[in-house]
Amino acid sequence: AQKITQTQPGMFVQEKEAVTLDCTYDTSDPSYGLFWYKQPSSGEMIFLIYQGSYDQQNATEGRYSLNFQKARKSANLVISASQLGDSAMYFCAMRALNSGNTPLVFGKGTRLSVIA
Amino acid sequence: DGGITQSPKYLFRKEGQNVTLSCEQNLNHDAMYWYRQDPGQGLRLIYYSQIVNDFQKGDIAEGYSVSREKKESFPLTVTSAQKNPTAFYLCASSDTDSNQPQHFGDGTRLSIL
Repeated sequence: AQKITQTQPGMFVQEKEAVTLDCTYDTSDPSYGLFWYKQPSSGEMIFLIYQGSYDQQNATEGRYSLNFQKARKSANLVISASQLGDSAMYFCAMRALNSGNTPLVFGKGTRLSVIA
Repeated sequence: DGGITQSPKYLFRKEGQNVTLSCEQNLNHDAMYWYRQDPGQGLRLIYYSQIVNDFQKGDIAEGYSVSREKKESFPLTVTSAQKNPTAFYLCASSDTDSNQPQHFGDGTRLSIL
């Protein structure tokens, strides 16, 4: 079984600053994938970034990067140069790899508010 | 454009009534999923289906039922046995590769009259 823990219910960041959203996980699977999603107030879930447990480098997608520390079982999302449109809920999720299309397991999320 | 369509966007249920939430995808994905989201909470899995005519219970299946007669469609019925159905319901689908993300619909908000 997998478990995702997001310990920050809410975060504030000044516009144009960088912010780190924490995610720790627990799993007994030897290989796994970690996913981050953004959920604006309208409700849709937007996929942001993916990190595989065997990837040698931390994933990056535009202003999003993942600070992956396998030994500490953490996969923190870093958003650089925050924009007002980044205000949303952010969810960390995971699934075992080579498991086919089993469901993602989600954390409870972090609400990010970007201040002008 | 390929995607997932959930309908209706808003739904109201009377006491003792069953209601069905629609989810249709044209992404040719084998797997489909239903999640429930309560205010300020994460997503909890209700049911999922990895192939047509087969589905499995998730963590909170009680009071819900599903069917998967077509690859494109995975409707969720909220039965009268579900005593606290007010929530935001999200449908998702995914490809067979486990390193691919789930794609989500825009959700259905269910409320009790």
